[in-house]
Amino acid sequence: DGGITQSPKYLFRKEGQNVTLSCEQNLNHDAMYWYRQDPGQGLRLIYYSQIVNDFQKGDIAEGYSVSREKKESFPLTVTSAQKNPTAFYLCASSAGTGFSEQYFGPGTRLTVT
Amino acid sequence: LAKTTQPISMDSYEGQEVNITCSHNNIATNDYITWYQQFPSQGPRFIIQGYKTKVTNEVASLFIPADRKSSTLSLPRVSLSDTAVYYCLVGDADYKLSFGAGTTVTVRA
Repeated sequence: DGGITQSPKYLFRKEGQNVTLSCEQNLNHDAMYWYRQDPGQGLRLIYYSQIVNDFQKGDIAEGYSVSREKKESFPLTVTSAQKNPTAFYLCASSAGTGFSEQYFGPGTRLTVT
Repeated sequence: LAKTTQPISMDSYEGQEVNITCSHNNIATNDYITWYQQFPSQGPRFIIQGYKTKVTNEVASLFIPADRKSSTLSLPRVSLSDTAVYYCLVGDADYKLSFGAGTTVTVRA
């Protein structure tokens, strides 16, 4: 089965700790994305990567970091600098340019207390 | 980046047709229009995409007028399982897609 996996589904952390969210895809897609969704709101782009070893900031990159060492993987680290990290995080991938269909993972719900 | 405007919510009944209109007055020549569906606690799912005129697939139709400043997603004969949030996106080649708050469609029996 081709698709995107995110783990874990639920994650709890104490304030001040860094946490890394996993995202893996086996669709052979070049582009990958991280979004954040808060209750009742739309998705906001955190980071995106068009190819391996390259990534760009989205609209709300402050307090987050990413890496793209492999085509299949695009992990997101939520650092202690992120003021309001509690949210639903979604990873996606697409075959090509920004208007290509994006395939989303099931999401990780992060709660920081 | 073209901004989109959609109604916040819409109510319907099973078997009816639902039409959701999205405004994108600043759409650029190279922009495509894409609609996604999202159920609670899940990632969005692609529904349909178009550039102009009309596009139809097995689940929906997309109507785009000649000036492309708006688009209408049409869901024929909705069922309870179509209750979801629907997002209109206008994408450019810079990968920066903008998901607004979407339209919450509630289908009642």
